[in-house]
Amino acid sequence: SAVISQKPSRDICQRGTSLTIQCQVDSQVTMMFWYRQQPGQSLTLIATANQGSEATYESGFVIDKFPISRPNLTFSTLTVSNMSPEDSSIYLCSVPVGKYGYTFGSGTRLTVV
Amino acid sequence: AQRVTQPEKLLSVFKGAPVELKCNYSYSGSPELFWYVQYSRQRLQLLLRHISRESIKGFTADLNKGETSFHLKKPFAQEEDSAMYYCALSSGSARQLTFGSGTQLTVLP
Repeated sequence: SAVISQKPSRDICQRGTSLTIQCQVDSQVTMMFWYRQQPGQSLTLIATANQGSEATYESGFVIDKFPISRPNLTFSTLTVSNMSPEDSSIYLCSVPVGKYGYTFGSGTRLTVV
Repeated sequence: AQRVTQPEKLLSVFKGAPVELKCNYSYSGSPELFWYVQYSRQRLQLLLRHISRESIKGFTADLNKGETSFHLKKPFAQEEDSAMYYCALSSGSARQLTFGSGTQLTVLP
């Protein structure tokens, strides 16, 4: 199955700044998903990143706040822009594996102060 | 809209006791259902999926379409089963996962 390298693993950022999270997959994948896990909450899908087209955002998430790049089939970035303490979460990327499975990155624990 | 409900946020059982983690779903089509597990300080990983009808680490889960449930069961819990468990649903070609809120299982010695 695919292996995802996600970085940074954690960061502490000042409010108003931006952080870019990277995910590198060891194989080519068509779809890549970005999730957010707020403290004590479940995973919520932010957007689906497709190579060669704009990301598709879920309700409540907008491109200006969470711009996504997908320059090729093995790489994607998610930027958390103009951060506030409410953005403190774990951010994860995920890719489909095989016909039914999924694999996840190790997550980025973001704290905004 | 699809939804996954895990009614128990916390569940504690003694070692050797049976355990059942509940999951109910709401989806109009034919769902693909999964259980994911996250052990302390590890990444989220697939435990099992309904489509393969497999048993992993002694856990099983049966899809009950009449009750729209996909409960996770193990007859004899082990301390190493202590983890956060998420039920998830995938719909159609979009391949997105909708997660339940998770159940933190603690197996006591």
